[in-house]
Amino acid sequence: GQNIDQPTEMTATEGAIVQINCTYQTSGFNGLFWYQQHAGEAPTFLSYNVLDGLEEKGRFSSFLSRSKGYSYLLLKELQMKDSASYLCAVINDYKLSFGAGTTVTVRA
Amino acid sequence: EAGVVQSPRYKIIEKKQPVAFWCNPISGHNTLYWYLQNLGQGPELLIRYENEEAVDDSQLPKDRFSAERLKGVDSTLKIQPAELGDSAVYLCASSLLKNTEAFFGQGTRLTVV
Repeated sequence: GQNIDQPTEMTATEGAIVQINCTYQTSGFNGLFWYQQHAGEAPTFLSYNVLDGLEEKGRFSSFLSRSKGYSYLLLKELQMKDSASYLCAVINDYKLSFGAGTTVTVRA
Repeated sequence: EAGVVQSPRYKIIEKKQPVAFWCNPISGHNTLYWYLQNLGQGPELLIRYENEEAVDDSQLPKDRFSAERLKGVDSTLKIQPAELGDSAVYLCASSLLKNTEAFFGQGTRLTVV
């Protein structure tokens, strides 16, 4: 089975940094994705990690440790538009499974 | 390039009525997913297609849900009869290759009354 855990909510101030953790226990592993989902909209792809280490893409970075079943998404220089739900997803044997999502609220 | 297109965006039906959702994936994407998303939850997989073959439908409630992907392109998801608990957002996604990122449509928000 798949078990993907992430915090329910996080709040941060505009311009700050927020780190969203994700832990997973899955029967197999072919990669980990992070998606952003604004209220009432479709999830949009942010990042993909298949090997251990840090992947940086502009203000967003994602880290993976396969031995620990752990990933985090780092959002730097937070902007109001970053207020959204962030979904951690693991792909295993071509099946993409999602965590419940972390709602990030950015305050002015 | 057009993204994943779903219709309708919203649907309100009475319980016990049938309903169908349509999805047009990104051109050339062989893998197609149907997900269900409840408020405050992550998407849950209902069925995955590789071309026209349903390769993973273990989470699809087959007593009332059905899906098809004729010619390996467009797909429809049907519920008959709908129940109150089926109220949710139904998301379609597609990906070019196995184990690559999936691109999502806007979803169909179903309300069963």
